[in-house]
Amino acid sequence: KNQVEQSPQSLIILEGKNCTLQCNYTVSPFSNLRWYKQDTGRGPVSLTIMTFSENTKSNGRYTATLDADTKQSSLHITASQLSDSASYICVVSVGDTGFQKLVFGTGTRLLVSP
Amino acid sequence: ETGVTQTPRHLVMGMTNKKSLKCEQHLGHNAMYWYKQSAKKPLELMFVYSLEERVENNSVPSRFSPECPNSSHLFLHLHTLQPEDSALYLCASSQGTQVRQETQYFGPGTRLLVL
Repeated sequence: KNQVEQSPQSLIILEGKNCTLQCNYTVSPFSNLRWYKQDTGRGPVSLTIMTFSENTKSNGRYTATLDADTKQSSLHITASQLSDSASYICVVSVGDTGFQKLVFGTGTRLLVSP
Repeated sequence: ETGVTQTPRHLVMGMTNKKSLKCEQHLGHNAMYWYKQSAKKPLELMFVYSLEERVENNSVPSRFSPECPNSSHLFLHLHTLQPEDSALYLCASSQGTQVRQETQYFGPGTRLLVL
């Protein structure tokens, strides 16, 4: 069964600190992995996308890593800001060809405290 | 803004009401989607339209009826809903529906409460 699991479910950190969110997936065949940020009351916004051959990708203070062997990904946030408070959703795309099926995690809710 | 707009942003309706959710994308994309997001659950794909044709229907109850009159507009018609249908309904669009296509861009969602 295709599944995406994220941890922790929620996290509170102080402003300026770093944090790492985890994503484990059991998906076959793997196509790509995305991290989305969802602010309260908003739709998800894409942060990064990585294919099988990519190990790391950065977007400003956000750095995503991918280990295709262990089927794990992480999202590292550096020097957190209050605006980083949001839910972060890991999404894995399934399939080599044809219709793109996405498998969503339940998200990690991050609160950055002043 | 992502280029995908949704109206209304909030909706309260009784179980006997009929209402419609509207989505519009200004990105020139060919594919549009409806998702349901309930608390502590992953996003659930409801419907997919590609070039105005429905290509995916994930066993959604018939009380939800989608309509895609053109590639820029998508509607979700609601009738005789149940309280468990209360959720955030998200619309998304993408260039296409095939693997390795562009990322899906989401609208802000409609927060629906069924009483």
